[in-house]
Amino acid sequence: DAGVTQSPTHLIKTRGQQVTLRCSPKSGHDTVSWYQQALGQGPQFIFQYYEEEERQRGNFPDRFSGHQFPNYSSELNVNALLLGDSALYLCASSFSGRGGEQYFGPGTRLTVT
Amino acid sequence: KNQVEQSPQSLIILEGKNCTLQCNYTVSPFSNLRWYKQDTGRGPVSLTIMTFSENTKSNGRYTATLDADTKQSSLHITASQLSDSASYICVVSSVYPVYTGGFKTIFGAGTRLFVKA
Repeated sequence: DAGVTQSPTHLIKTRGQQVTLRCSPKSGHDTVSWYQQALGQGPQFIFQYYEEEERQRGNFPDRFSGHQFPNYSSELNVNALLLGDSALYLCASSFSGRGGEQYFGPGTRLTVT
Repeated sequence: KNQVEQSPQSLIILEGKNCTLQCNYTVSPFSNLRWYKQDTGRGPVSLTIMTFSENTKSNGRYTATLDADTKQSSLHITASQLSDSASYICVVSSVYPVYTGGFKTIFGAGTRLFVKA
């Protein structure tokens, strides 16, 4: 049983560009949450998707958007990249009926130059 | 305001020694508290999860305690090993019916543990 997978592992982009990160949840999970983790900080909640809809959103600008597909996989899109968007982006999956325990993927390291 | 505060921010110990990490929270309503271990550049891995009615839970050399009255938790690491060097993150969740948004999860900033030979 594969756990949460994310792609790509690393990514380098230039300011102003757009990026798409991908996440496949753990088998049996239907909820996907995205987090941004700056170096030396704890993860910051971006948003959560359930039933292909954004259910919760953290304090992030509209440049951050997402999507969930019928197979529960998800994408995180970031437009007009800023240097401050450089971070580890974590995807976590959970089953809506099991108290929200989350399993994290390995993350995507995004560097904006 | 819902917050999770961890202390110390960082800690250096010698291999074989024990240590205790602290977590204080103000998240309400409370559903569960988890401790995660995160190696540098990797995703967090769950160590323990405790609900309101549990006051201690062990996972090998890791033992977590929870005092729901004082809203404090600790993670005790026994006989530390070099591989214990990582960040330890305390996470508190409130669980709601999924149609209202699912759940709210608040992360602490983590304690960075360095184990030296």
